[in-house]
Amino acid sequence: GNSVTQMEGPVTLSEEAFLTINCTYTATGYPSLFWYVQYPGEGLQLLLKATKADDKGSNKGFEATYRKETTSFHLEKGSVQVSDSAVYFCALTHLGTGNQFYFGTGTSLTVIP
Amino acid sequence: NAGVTQTPKFRVLKTGQSMTLLCAQDMNHEYMYWYRQDPGMGLRLIHYSVGEGTTAKGEVPDGYNVSRLKKQNFLLGLESAAPSQTSVYFCASTTSDSYEQYFGPGTRLTVT
Repeated sequence: GNSVTQMEGPVTLSEEAFLTINCTYTATGYPSLFWYVQYPGEGLQLLLKATKADDKGSNKGFEATYRKETTSFHLEKGSVQVSDSAVYFCALTHLGTGNQFYFGTGTSLTVIP
Repeated sequence: NAGVTQTPKFRVLKTGQSMTLLCAQDMNHEYMYWYRQDPGMGLRLIHYSVGEGTTAKGEVPDGYNVSRLKKQNFLLGLESAAPSQTSVYFCASTTSDSYEQYFGPGTRLTVT
């Protein structure tokens, strides 16, 4: 089956600290991988994606690399800001199956000044 | 361009009452989804639709029904609400060849 496991939160960091949120997956075939972000009181927004092995997705200073050998897609940012405080979800999908997404449980990040 | 909208934003129901949540999108997307979000559980798919007049069950469909009579609308119904259905409900839409799902702002439902 398909599933996503991501690190438990909450995570609290000081501004300008380095961020890593771990994500591993189980899937049949070759899924596409995503990070979505949810700001307080809002729906989810796509942060970045990678559609094949060794691809690196990046956006707003965040990066994640699709590692097939370790079935991982860890999210990193070199210097977090207060505005990065949000809940981050790792997810996967296979195109052609109704594009069903499988989400992790979410990791809450709080960045303090 | 409103994107994905959900009605209502908040609702409180008593056990056994019924209600319908409305999702509307103006992006001409074929696919639409209903999720529920619970603490520590992430998002779980309730039902989805790949086109007008078609629906399918997701991971947690029990206690819910859906209809997609028009391409732009996807309705989620609770026939007899239970406290276990207290949650935040999100609608999303996408196209058949897209990797990105567009989410609505959510509906916070409390069943007492």
